[in-house]
Amino acid sequence: SQQGEEDPQALSIQEGENATMNCSYKTSINNLQWYRQNSGRGLVHLILIRSNEREKHSGRLRVTLDTSKKSSSLLITASRAADTASYFCASSGSARQLTFGSGTQLTVLP
Amino acid sequence: DAGVIQSPRHEVTEMGQEVTLRCKPISGHDYLFWYRQTMMRGLELLIYFNNNVPIDDSGMPEDRFSAKMPNASFSTLKIQPSEPRDSAVYFCASSLFPDGEAFFGQGTRLTVV
Repeated sequence: SQQGEEDPQALSIQEGENATMNCSYKTSINNLQWYRQNSGRGLVHLILIRSNEREKHSGRLRVTLDTSKKSSSLLITASRAADTASYFCASSGSARQLTFGSGTQLTVLP
Repeated sequence: DAGVIQSPRHEVTEMGQEVTLRCKPISGHDYLFWYRQTMMRGLELLIYFNNNVPIDDSGMPEDRFSAKMPNASFSTLKIQPSEPRDSAVYFCASSLFPDGEAFFGQGTRLTVV
């Protein structure tokens, strides 16, 4: 099974609200990354957090990492309709290969 | 740089035909990855190259699939013969490190009828 699993599978919110997506993984990691995929497009890298980091920010994005719980969360603040997309976490373990989760489909309603 | 370039964007072929997907990575990236994305299985790593050398092809589903990287600026993924269950979106990605930020192409949507 895949290293990373996101929840929820789907999330629908109103514009201006915050969106939180979670990712769990199974083995020790070197880093964990989040990607966005718009419909019919390739994945776009959002943020990378290393195993020795606990929190990272980039614009309206905030990522946390809890290695004791083997989990990460992505928070998008003040969401916009343009944030509608699928969001994937990808973890890198001892093999230094990225393994992607199943994704969260976020819909931001105007 | 124009990013990772894949061709074709869409491919419709009949079962049993050979299919070749193409990828041009970002210049200077030493790592190139081929992924397959389906609703059922999500995003799967098929194979990756380091400096044009295949490093891990354990994700290639069967012998019908083959990949080559004859030089640093070009890679192909070939399916011969193709089957309906190969229908998926195939992505190529490149990066500076094996687990660094990956840059994805727009993908090739393959439909085998």
